[in-house]
Amino acid sequence: GQNIDQPTEMTATEGAIVQINCTYQTSGFNGLFWYQQHAGEAPTFLSYNVLDGLEEKGRFSSFLSRSKGYSYLLLKELQMKDSASYLCAVRAGSYQLTFGKGTKLSVIP
Amino acid sequence: DAGVIQSPRHEVTEMGQEVTLRCKPISGHDYLFWYRQTMMRGLELLIYFNNNVPIDDSGMPEDRFSAKMPNASFSTLKIQPSEPRDSAVYFCASSFEHLSTDTQYFGPGTRLTVL
Repeated sequence: GQNIDQPTEMTATEGAIVQINCTYQTSGFNGLFWYQQHAGEAPTFLSYNVLDGLEEKGRFSSFLSRSKGYSYLLLKELQMKDSASYLCAVRAGSYQLTFGKGTKLSVIP
Repeated sequence: DAGVIQSPRHEVTEMGQEVTLRCKPISGHDYLFWYRQTMMRGLELLIYFNNNVPIDDSGMPEDRFSAKMPNASFSTLKIQPSEPRDSAVYFCASSFEHLSTDTQYFGPGTRLTVL
């Protein structure tokens, strides 16, 4: 089976930088995804890592270390609209994704 | 494209009743996934299809749950009989195998309440 851990909640200030961590245990690793989910809405894709290193996309970056079973999502220049849950998901072996329970991020003025 | 379409958006029913949730994937996508999301358990995969064929239904909680995909543009998830513990948001997602990221696109979800 797979085990994915991420913090339940985080709070950060508008304009600041926040890092959301995700650790996982799995065999046959085949990619790690980050999704954003606003309250009452569907998850939407943010980033994908399959090789070690940092992937940057605008204000959002995602990092992966396969040897450590570790990833983080970095959000810069936080805006109020970034308040949402952030889901870490791992694909291993077969095609489906296994999701963590999500980190609820609250951005305060 | 209209994205993944799900209906109904909200469903309130009484225990013991049959519930049918519907999904239309994005045109051209060859994978379809059914998920259930609750506060306690997060987002859980129930079943997924490839080219209309069920590939893995190990996440289906019990025999009360069944899913079908009669064609490439339509899938149903049925619960019979429904129980209060089935209350959750049910998401349908689709993806196209040959995209490098194999990103899954989620529908808006059906919020099911079983009284």
